[in-house]
Amino acid sequence: DVKVTQSSRYLVKRTGEKVFLECVQDMDHENMFWYRQDPGLGLRLIYFSYDVKMKEKGDIPEGYSVSREKKERFSLILESASTNQTSMYLCASSYGRSSYEQYFGPGTRLTVT
Amino acid sequence: GENVEQHPSTLSVQEGDSAVIKCTYSDSASNYFPWYKQELGKRPQLIIDIRSNVGEKKDQRIAVTLNKTAKHFSLHITETQPEDSAVYFCAAGRAQKLVFGQGTRLTINP
Repeated sequence: DVKVTQSSRYLVKRTGEKVFLECVQDMDHENMFWYRQDPGLGLRLIYFSYDVKMKEKGDIPEGYSVSREKKERFSLILESASTNQTSMYLCASSYGRSSYEQYFGPGTRLTVT
Repeated sequence: GENVEQHPSTLSVQEGDSAVIKCTYSDSASNYFPWYKQELGKRPQLIIDIRSNVGEKKDQRIAVTLNKTAKHFSLHITETQPEDSAVYFCAAGRAQKLVFGQGTRLTINP
């Protein structure tokens, strides 16, 4: 059974703070993704990674960066948090190659005040 | 890049009736079309998917149809039950990168 975990369910940060969101998967998946979910906008891809130390920009990368030093861990970094980054952040992973199903983590609801 | 439009944004049906959610996509190179269900407070989970070489796929009460020419695909739920109440997302993409629709909140009325 695939398990994707995220470091926090709820997080409150102040404007300008550096924020780290962590995601860990235990199924040796090659691909990992960060999305943000906002009402009426669906899930929007921020960044994804096909392999360790590799990353690609998604559709809304501005204001974010990522790190993937180990295969099982994918971190999302908000360099200087702003109020418009208040959102639900979802991590996902997928096996790769011919299997495209993405498995999601429980999400982190981030509030920036 | 890919753009996915999903309709309706909300849908309310009587228990036992059918529900249909429709999506259109823009990139003719997209070849993978999954549907995810997200119950309140929970993570999205895949319920059915279809690839571009197939026109229809069915799994019990759920079916998905794909029209590549018109670039649209639909989710059909028959004999709806209260546990079908959730937000449903369609997505389209190539290989691993997906673009999601805006979501449909489906409510099943008893």
